[in-house]
This record gives sequence, structure tokens and C-alpha cells, in this order.
Amino acid sequence: QVQLQESGPGLVKPSETLSLTCAVSGYSISSGYYWGWIRQPPGKGLEWIGSIYHSGSTYYNPSLKSRVTISVDTSKNQFSLKLSSVTAADTAVYYCATTTVTAVDYWGQGTLVTVSS
Amino acid sequence: EIVLTQSPGTLSLSPGERATLSCRASQSVSSSYLAWYQQKPGQAPRLLIYGASSRATGIPDRFSGSGSGTDFTLTISRLEPEDFAVYYCQQYGSSPRWTFGQGTKVEIK
Repeated sequence: QVQLQESGPGLVKPSETLSLTCAVSGYSISSGYYWGWIRQPPGKGLEWIGSIYHSGSTYYNPSLKSRVTISVDTSKNQFSLKLSSVTAADTAVYYCATTTVTAVDYWGQGTLVTVSS
Repeated sequence: EIVLTQSPGTLSLSPGERATLSCRASQSVSSSYLAWYQQKPGQAPRLLIYGASSRATGIPDRFSGSGSGTDFTLTISRLEPEDFAVYYCQQYGSSPRWTFGQGTKVEIK
């Protein structure tokens, strides 16, 4: 059973970079899956941010691509998200997840990141 | 970009009733790449249906999915108290790779 746990600051200042890490347990990142990030602004729907394969190849949402970097650390069995130049519109619950062509199978519990000075 | 439009926005029903949720795509979607999720307040979404009609592990058989092309449906045959939640459809395709509908809230009437 794949388990995912997000971690990182809950408060980020406008114009700064949001950084989150997802620790994976119960499965080796190197074994497969696209490892993804999805966010949900308070009271709103779900938005896919981007995904990375264990080899390092990435897919990003075009609407965020210029500000997003996703990386993987197979030695620590974790992957990370960086979102630069944040504004209040980036305030959301951020989920890490396994994103496959058939579905998003496994989700972390989510972490709320608030952008505020 | 494929846009998924869910209807209705809110469905008000009583326990024991049948719920029919719609997901319409702006372009044809492969049935293999259409999924449904349930989300309760304060929780992560939970996968219900993948491949348009296959139930995920542990999902009760009162949940069923159907459809093809641009029109997909999630049906809950008899609503249980724990089924009142928000439901999202999602597709995998070309850029952006993973997109979600805006959600349908099933609330107690």
C-alpha cells in the first residue's frame, strides 16, 4: 500500500517560493508511477500542478509551467514541489499523489499553504 | 485542452434515493482514462471509479460508472448517509495531462 505524506511551511510570503516535499512509504519511487502534485483552493475544485516519473521526466500544467519545478530524490524515496513568485491565488491545500493514466490512485492527506505577508 | 463540465452543481436527495451525476467532456475522452472521486470535508479525494466503469478496491457496488466519448455518468443506486459528499470526474489526456471537473455536491434533502 502506497502512503504519501506532504511536509513544508504552512505560510509563505507573496513573491516568495513555496516548497513542499512528499515522503513515500510502502513503495519504491524507482519502481514506477508518475508522482504528482494537485492543489485545491479553499472551497474550490482540484487542479493538477505537475507530475514526475522516477527517471526525472516531467509534465507540468501549462497554466503554472513557468513557475513550477518538480524533482525526485530516489535515495530518500521522496519528491518535491517548488512554486515561485506566489500570490494569494496560490493559497490552497496541496496534495501529493500517484498520477497514472487511468486515475489518481493514492493521495496524501494534504497540507494547507497560505500565501500572506 | 479538454474541459470537463459536471452537472448538476448540487444534487439534493434523501437517503435511499438514486443519484445520477453527469460529466461532459469538450472533446472525446478515452474511456480508459476517465475516473471518478469522492471527497468529504477535510479529507483527500478517494478514487471510486477508473476506466469509466471499473470500481476501485473496496468501493461498494452501489457505485457504478458508465459512458463513452464525451458523456459519462456516475450512479449511486441507493444513497447511504456516508455518500453525501462532493464528486469529481477526471480525465487523462493531452496537455494538461490530468484535468478535473468542477465537482457535484450531493447533499441531504
